[in-house]
Amino acid sequence: GDSVTQMEGPVTLSEEAFLTINCTYTATGYPSLFWYVQYPGEGLQLLLKATKADDKGSNKGFEATYRKETTSFHLEKGSVQVSDSAVYFCAPSTYGGSQGNLIFGKGTKLSVKP
Amino acid sequence: KAGVTQTPRYLIKTRGQQVTLSCSPISGHRSVSWYQQTPGQGLQFLFEYFSETQRNKGNFPGRFSGRQFSNSRSEMNVSTLELGDSALYLCASSLEWGDGYTFGSGTRLTVV
Repeated sequence: GDSVTQMEGPVTLSEEAFLTINCTYTATGYPSLFWYVQYPGEGLQLLLKATKADDKGSNKGFEATYRKETTSFHLEKGSVQVSDSAVYFCAPSTYGGSQGNLIFGKGTKLSVKP
Repeated sequence: KAGVTQTPRYLIKTRGQQVTLSCSPISGHRSVSWYQQTPGQGLQFLFEYFSETQRNKGNFPGRFSGRQFSNSRSEMNVSTLELGDSALYLCASSLEWGDGYTFGSGTRLTVV
């Protein structure tokens, strides 16, 4: 079945460090790809998305490129801030069924220290 | 524009009781999905409604049910609550497949 694999957390970085969170997926067809972020005590927020191969999604300094050949959608940021501390979820779309329309991994918790 | 609104934000119930959670999607969004989030299991899909019809269903027991009204507002119900039902319940709406979801802030349910 469709699935997504994210790097295990927690990830702890110092402020202004470079961030990469790896994401690979298996999905039927040609999914859209999403990154969501969840701050403590809140719901998920859409961070960025890409809908076709080689598309680059970007928002708030975060970027991710849709790599069809490697079925990956790695999240990067050049200089993290303390306010980026949150849990990040990679989510490919799927065609519904018992998983719903998006497949969520376990998430990667990021802690940024001043 | 208004986001996805979930009520109540917090709820404490006793084992054996039932509970109803409410979700108002973004205006114009006809698809509403529900998720359960726990530290151990992560995000688990409950069900999706589209134009008042259940379109997809996750692997949860029949104690979990939902419905959607003609104005796209949705409710989910959990009957005969168990301690393991304690979780953050998230509602999300979308305009169409491939657009991604907009999530509400969730309802934190504690079963004692």
